Amino acid sequence: DTGVSQNPRHKITKRGQNVTFRCDPISEHNRLYWYRQTLGQGPEFLTYFQNEAQLEKSRLLSDRFSAERPKGSFSTLEIQRTEQGDSAMYLCASSFYGGLETQYFGPGTRLLVL
Amino acid sequence: QQQVKQSPQSLIVQKGGISIINCAYENTAFDYFPWYQQFPGKGPALLIAIRPDVSEKKEGRFTISFNKSAKQFSLHIMDSQPGDSATYFCAASKDNQGGKLIFGQGTELSVKP
Repeated sequence: DTGVSQNPRHKITKRGQNVTFRCDPISEHNRLYWYRQTLGQGPEFLTYFQNEAQLEKSRLLSDRFSAERPKGSFSTLEIQRTEQGDSAMYLCASSFYGGLETQYFGPGTRLLVL
Repeated sequence: QQQVKQSPQSLIVQKGGISIINCAYENTAFDYFPWYQQFPGKGPALLIAIRPDVSEKKEGRFTISFNKSAKQFSLHIMDSQPGDSATYFCAASKDNQGGKLIFGQGTELSVKP
């Protein structure tokens, strides 16, 4: 499968714990995006990378959230001290800047904070 | 501030009918308007997209109509099939701001056999 992959697909954690999600983009894509989707809503932009540089972070991304993309390949999104309000689907997308720039989404990681 | 408004929230159509979903945007700097289809438990998948230099784009049974002066665009699904039952999202982005997508609230489409 050459699409965007995300792991884990599901995560259940207790309030206050830290969680980390991984996204592997389509191999030739230089842009990587993170979105958050809550039930019945459209995805909301969190942050994006061009290669290894994080170029924009949404106001939604509080200090408890951090994202990295070392070496411009896979990316990780960490949430520290999780809260119940963090429960959502976390989606990763990738695109090729300089080409069609279509964003291809992964299947998402569904987080439930108890 | 909701920059992309989508309607209706839900839609029921008979098999073979036409499904129409509408979106309105506020920011005239948007220059890319895609529609995504999402099935339960899956990530959104691109259906069709348009740029503001054309008023209509058709791909198979899917057509986007774009009205730049009204700041509105719509998705038409012709000959709707039960397999089209999914949630549809319109979105908008600005190329010079990294291409981040601003999504509408979604429309849950149900096509009855």
